[in-house]
Amino acid sequence: DQQVKQNSPSLSVQEGRISILNCDYTNSMFDYFLWYKKYPAEGPTFLISISSIKDKNEDGRFTVFLNKSAKHLSLHIVPSQPGDSAVYFCAASYGGTSYGKLTFGQGTILTVHP
Amino acid sequence: DVKVTQSSRYLVKRTGEKVFLECVQDMDHENMFWYRQDPGLGLRLIYFSYDVKMKEKGDIPEGYSVSREKKERFSLILESASTNQTSMYLCASRGSSSYNSPLHFGNGTRLTVT
Repeated sequence: DQQVKQNSPSLSVQEGRISILNCDYTNSMFDYFLWYKKYPAEGPTFLISISSIKDKNEDGRFTVFLNKSAKHLSLHIVPSQPGDSAVYFCAASYGGTSYGKLTFGQGTILTVHP
Repeated sequence: DVKVTQSSRYLVKRTGEKVFLECVQDMDHENMFWYRQDPGLGLRLIYFSYDVKMKEKGDIPEGYSVSREKKERFSLILESASTNQTSMYLCASRGSSSYNSPLHFGNGTRLTVT
């Protein structure tokens, strides 16, 4: 039972344009969401997060949007840069899980072309 | 900066062997986690530990065990390796039990079981 889903395995965009990565979840108990970025041969690194009391959070070129009614979140990268090429994972948790374990999506491979 | 170190980047083992994957963190974190990453499945939690000698099963604990004798070290054990345990294994730590603090990951161990 995949509670966090990233339905696009890959995304290709041109440098300077917007990248939009999407994530859907099924567990209405989730109230905290994170995005991680992963380069080959490295571990995932934390990118940005959002609490369910918000619908938007920005950090530089990265913005995460949360639509609780649709159980959907998205990550916007503007402008996209070749160095953003990586695998992006969304993850979710809620206070009731054992020690806040994260449930991850399948990942989306982003390729930014120069 | 938090450093999570996994002792091996690549391992090749034979079916039936007992395999130890080691992880060390240098920030006195209470919580440590083992995930595996597989294409199309994302990151799935195997086991986690919230204190020395304490452990809890994650979503896919079958075929694995763990050991945490010291706070900084968390070991994943494959009692009898099988080919379906060929995967990328990622260790992570977190300093607070607060469910909304990010995990810090190591660079991963790519295990191949032949």
